[in-house]
Amino acid sequence: GQQLNQSPQSMFIQEGEDVSMNCTSSSIFNTWLWYKQDPGEGPVLLIALYKAGELTSNGRLTAQFGITRKDSFLNISASIPSDVGIYFCAGFSNTGNQFYFGTGTSLTVIP
Amino acid sequence: DAGVTQSPTHLIKTRGQQVTLRCSPKSGHDTVSWYQQALGQGPQFIFQYYEEEERQRGNFPDRFSGHQFPNYSSELNVNALLLGDSALYLCASSLGWGEDIQYFGAGTRLSVL
Repeated sequence: GQQLNQSPQSMFIQEGEDVSMNCTSSSIFNTWLWYKQDPGEGPVLLIALYKAGELTSNGRLTAQFGITRKDSFLNISASIPSDVGIYFCAGFSNTGNQFYFGTGTSLTVIP
Repeated sequence: DAGVTQSPTHLIKTRGQQVTLRCSPKSGHDTVSWYQQALGQGPQFIFQYYEEEERQRGNFPDRFSGHQFPNYSSELNVNALLLGDSALYLCASSLGWGEDIQYFGAGTRLSVL
């Protein structure tokens, strides 16, 4: 099945630093979502985006729906240790009516 | 408000065996999707059930089958297990078919020896 390309694959940052990650697809999506997954848990929804160009925030997290509808970006400001985990993007197409997930970005925050 | 619950949490099987995984959706949700997540990968869509019927299917062989019950709970069955079926199996529920917001359970870790 199709998987979206996420970059970077992993990040090691100091506590307090800002983080940026992105996700690209060869297909157009109607909705972009960002999830965080902790070890041994299922993904937890962070942000949902519905319109090209849309910029949405959830606390220290900000995500954008790319203009081309083929990409999305997630930024985390002032990282803290509990931000550690794997972040996944997901695209949803109304025509296909299914979700496609990215390959994940593993974030490590060094206190 | 109970979230998505899955059982069992862990399972060990041998090649050729059959396995059944179970999922109860979030309260009020009527649509259940199943995903396979191999180690180090993102979730891959297996299929989705709505109104007790399979509505959408990903690129998985017929060895993977499912069922949805009138109370919206669901089962995932895998026959003739292969070593490559070892993965975390995630269930997600949503309110209505075509809904773009899903909530995930903690998953069932299946190991095939």
